[in-house]
Amino acid sequence: EVQLLESGGGLVQPGGSLRLSCAASGFTFRNFAMSWVRQAPGKGLEWVSGISGYSDYTYYADSVKGRFTISRDNSKNTLYLQLNSLRDEDTAVYYCAKFDGARIQLWSFDYWGQGTLVTVSS
Amino acid sequence: QSALTQPASVSGSPGQSITISCTGTSSDFGSNNLVSWYQQYPGKAPKVMIYEGSKRPSGVSNRFSGSKSGNTASLTISGLQAEDEADYYCCSYVNSDTWVFGGGTKLTVL
Repeated sequence: EVQLLESGGGLVQPGGSLRLSCAASGFTFRNFAMSWVRQAPGKGLEWVSGISGYSDYTYYADSVKGRFTISRDNSKNTLYLQLNSLRDEDTAVYYCAKFDGARIQLWSFDYWGQGTLVTVSS
Repeated sequence: QSALTQPASVSGSPGQSITISCTGTSSDFGSNNLVSWYQQYPGKAPKVMIYEGSKRPSGVSNRFSGSKSGNTASLTISGLQAEDEADYYCCSYVNSDTWVFGGGTKLTVL
């Protein structure tokens, strides 16, 4: 059974930093690209970032480019998201999601974690 | 990265069929880009209902179907049931190595 378990969320001041983790199990982690998707309170889903199986490619939404860094440790089956220079508008539940699909244009999110809440406030 | 356009809400009675549209630009829905659809209950993680435009994952009811015409993708739910009441989101790969979601549609079963 595929499981994705996020951690690391919490309350942080504007301009601060946080690192999110996502522990994966139930599949061969290194064989799949992974992603982070966020949802602000009462709002819709927003794709944030993605990373290929062996970290050779990383992808970012314009809203977080230069502030967030995605990475993974295949030896630990863990995905990370480093959040720097946080803003009020980064407040959201952050979901870890597994990509699946034969090629990038067909990738969809086939499994999701339960999410971790990041609150940016002074 | 503009969001795909979905109606804010749709409604239907049990047993009826409803369709949720998802409209983008030609760059959103290039010939090789196919939409996925997600169902989300309040306070829960999203769940994939349709991928690659029209394929259903194992375990998803065949009452859910997906299609595409031009720059509009659609999710149709037939034989509407109370348990279908949820938020639905479309998502597409965009030709700049990014992904974009629709704004979401709240489905109400009357």
